Amino acid sequence: EAGVAQSPRYKIIEKRQSVAFWCNPISGHATLYWYQQILGQGPKLLIQFQNNGVVDDSQLPKDRFSAERLKGVDSTLKIQPAKLEDSAVYLCASSLQEDQRETQYFGPGTRLLVL
Amino acid sequence: AQRVTQPEKLLSVFKGAPVELKCNYSYSGSPELFWYVQYSRQRLQLLLRHISRESIKGFTADLNKGETSFHLKKPFAQEEDSAMYYCALRQAGTALIFGKGTTLSVSS
Repeated sequence: EAGVAQSPRYKIIEKRQSVAFWCNPISGHATLYWYQQILGQGPKLLIQFQNNGVVDDSQLPKDRFSAERLKGVDSTLKIQPAKLEDSAVYLCASSLQEDQRETQYFGPGTRLLVL
Repeated sequence: AQRVTQPEKLLSVFKGAPVELKCNYSYSGSPELFWYVQYSRQRLQLLLRHISRESIKGFTADLNKGETSFHLKKPFAQEEDSAMYYCALRQAGTALIFGKGTTLSVSS
């Protein structure tokens, strides 16, 4: 089966610009996650979707970050305007269900550099 | 607050030596504990979970609720084990909480 797909793989922007990332989860996976991984840290959840509804966005900086999963499949994560501290790898993951025992499968990530 | 602590940033061992990657957690309740691994130029992937009680690639991890630990062990390290290892916990219906990771370097 195809894995989680993400694009672009790399992005360099200047601060105050906007950027968008795209994720296509594994077919049939209801739950989708966006994580932010800053250099030297483990991944940190930004937002969790169950189908097209938001389950947890408590750690999403809502003044600049937004995410959607309109049809319950693909998802986009947007940053507007970007700050230097947003430089990180943005990981998308999906799982079949919300159950804690379900394996989360990760995409390759999008590496963002904000100058 | 839920937290996962991996005290070592880097662990260097020789091929054939035993390996123990430490993980401690703070959580009240019954979380599920995981080890994820990221090999060079590959994506993050699940290595093992405590509930499965299985050995994957020679690695095992035992949940010690008294010490709130979930250390990853392998009796004889191989060069192909060199990677970044993340310990993570998860409660029902939520996303993973990761530690900062430990880089394992196995040299011949």
